[in-house]
Amino acid sequence: GQQVMQIPQYQHVQEGEDFTTYCNSSTTLSNIQWYKQRPGGHPVFLIQLVKSGEVKKQKRLTFQFGEAKKNSSLHITATQTTDVGTYFCAGFSYNTDKLIFGTGTRLQVFP
Amino acid sequence: DTEVTQTPKHLVMGMTNKKSLKCEQHMGHRAMYWYKQKAKKPPELMFVYSYEKLSINESVPSRFSPECPNSSLLNLHLHALQPEDSALYLCASSQANTLDEAFFGQGTRLTVV
Repeated sequence: GQQVMQIPQYQHVQEGEDFTTYCNSSTTLSNIQWYKQRPGGHPVFLIQLVKSGEVKKQKRLTFQFGEAKKNSSLHITATQTTDVGTYFCAGFSYNTDKLIFGTGTRLQVFP
Repeated sequence: DTEVTQTPKHLVMGMTNKKSLKCEQHMGHRAMYWYKQKAKKPPELMFVYSYEKLSINESVPSRFSPECPNSSLLNLHLHALQPEDSALYLCASSQANTLDEAFFGQGTRLTVV
């Protein structure tokens, strides 16, 4: 079945350092969404990418959707302690008609 | 109102108990979802309701029984659960379908003893 993997599984950074998480799907995706889940919290929607090669920015966050629509990345510039949490990509495929969450990357930021 | 409200926040139940989880949204969303999330794992889709009809059942055991009484409410009825069913149960809603942004509730943390 469809699988969505993320690397790395964990990342510890010093405040001010950059962070990137990569998302790879076993199948071509129709769109990809990104969510952030704070410790003890629930997933919160960040953004959706639809077009091949699309790049979107939200302040310090940059999101990319690969040309083949099978991978995506989230890059955070100059991390802050408020960035702590687990970042999930979630891909939708018309083949499965379902949104499949990636395995997640847990980010820890040390002050 | 951009909230999805879940009750209760915490639930401890025995393996012979029957309980229900409740979810409510007033955003006019027509798609609602139940997810199960184990610690340090991604949410796993259980059920999808679209326009109050069950559209996806991810081969979930029959001890979990979903119900959508109206477009604002979603229930998950629990019966004869196993300890391995202990998890965070998340409800979510989106405007019309899975292509739309999903709004998640805060979840019910369930412990089966």
